[in-house]
Amino acid sequence: GDSVTQKEGLVTLTEGLPVMLNCTYQTIYSNAFLFWYVHYLNESPRLLLKSSTDNKRTEHQGFHATLHKSSSSFHLQKSSAQLSDSALYYCALRSSNTNKVVFGTGTRLQVLP
Amino acid sequence: DAGVTQTPRHEVAEKGQTIILKCEPVSGHNDLFWYRQTKIQGLELLSYFRSKSLMEDGGAFKDRFKAEMLNSSFSTLKIQPTEPKDSAVYLCASRTGAQNTLYFGAGTRLSVL
Repeated sequence: GDSVTQKEGLVTLTEGLPVMLNCTYQTIYSNAFLFWYVHYLNESPRLLLKSSTDNKRTEHQGFHATLHKSSSSFHLQKSSAQLSDSALYYCALRSSNTNKVVFGTGTRLQVLP
Repeated sequence: DAGVTQTPRHEVAEKGQTIILKCEPVSGHNDLFWYRQTKIQGLELLSYFRSKSLMEDGGAFKDRFKAEMLNSSFSTLKIQPTEPKDSAVYLCASRTGAQNTLYFGAGTRLSVL
């Protein structure tokens, strides 16, 4: 079945350094829809960005990601981390045939001063 | 517009008890999801409804977990009987079919003693 893999459980870095959170997925269907959701402490998870277009960069709130269907990847990046970026980040996949959304195990980003 | 409302926010149960969690989706949303959030497994899909019809029942969660959608604006998740390993945050989310974005509630934190 469909699955999402986020290998890093915790990423810790210093403010100002670049961020890259990895996400790979598996699906037998060609028109996958990928998402990044962010979950800040004491808030509800919310959408950060999404894409279904191969090789097109999508950006929101300083973060960007490019869906690469050839490598089944949708890595999240930011050029310079801020303290306020500390949160739990989930990569998710919506399959076009089932319409359900499956999530990865999440990556906790900890930005230190 | 009201977002997704989940009650209660916190629930403490003894092992073997029956508990019922409640969710009111965003008005007009056709799809409703229940997820369990843990540090190790991330967000695990429990149930998925489209226009009140159960589309996905979460496989491994079938035996003690039962989600229902009594009408388009109310859903329940029953856990019977509860076990200590059920301690987690339970999240409800909704979306319109065409919009793709999931809107999450604040979650119910369940502790089973």
